[in-house]
Amino acid sequence: NAGVTQTPKFQVLKTGQSMTLQCAQDMNHNSMYWYRQDPGMGLRLIYYSASEGTTDKGEVPNGYNVSRLNKREFSLRLESAAPSQTSVYFCASTSAGTYEQYFGPGTRLTVT
Amino acid sequence: AQRVTQPEKLLSVFKGAPVELKCNYSYSGSPELFWYVQYSRQRLQLLLRHISRESIKGFTADLNKGETSFHLKKPFAQEEDSAMYYCALAYNTDKLIFGTGTRLQVFP
Repeated sequence: NAGVTQTPKFQVLKTGQSMTLQCAQDMNHNSMYWYRQDPGMGLRLIYYSASEGTTDKGEVPNGYNVSRLNKREFSLRLESAAPSQTSVYFCASTSAGTYEQYFGPGTRLTVT
Repeated sequence: AQRVTQPEKLLSVFKGAPVELKCNYSYSGSPELFWYVQYSRQRLQLLLRHISRESIKGFTADLNKGETSFHLKKPFAQEEDSAMYYCALAYNTDKLIFGTGTRLQVFP
C-alpha cells in the first residue's frame, strides 16, 4: 500500500497562476483533508470531505476549491495564486469512526 | 470554540535529559487528544493517543481534565527524538485541530 500520495512535491507559481494539487489514498478511507502548514501557525484545515461527493470548508478556505472525484482522490485547486498561499500543503485521510489521520508527504508551494 | 495551545516553539535538551512538551486545550465536550510527530523529511504521523494510554518510543501523555492539559513526556531524551511535535484535539466526529507545534532538539 502506498498510503496517501501527493503530487507534485514542489511547485513554484507566479501570482495569478492557477494549479491543482492532487491527492490519492489506497486505504479505502472515507474522510479526506487538506491542510496548510506555516511556521508558527501549525497545521490549519483548508477543506475536508467526509465522503465521496461531499466537501466542507475548514478554517482557512478562502482562495481554494476542492473536488472529491471519487473515494480515492481529493484535489485542491488554487484558481489565482497569491504570495500568501506560499506554504506546505498536506493531504490526509482517515476511516470512519477513528481520528487517526494518515498524511501524505506534502507539497511545497512557493508563489512569487 | 475548541483550541489547542502549545506554548513552546522550541525545546532544546541534552541527550539523557527528561523532556516535557506542553499542550493545553479548550473544548466543551469530552476531549480526545493526540500527539503527532514529524521527523525531518518525513510525513506527519501519529505518535500516541490518550485513549490507548500506551507508551510509544518511551513517550507517554496523560490527560488531565482538571488542568485541561495533555503534556508529552519522556524520562530520557534520545537524539533520534529530535522532531516537530503537534498536539491535536478531535472534534465534530472526524476532524482534528492542531496546535502550533513544538520543535524538540536533542543535543548529544
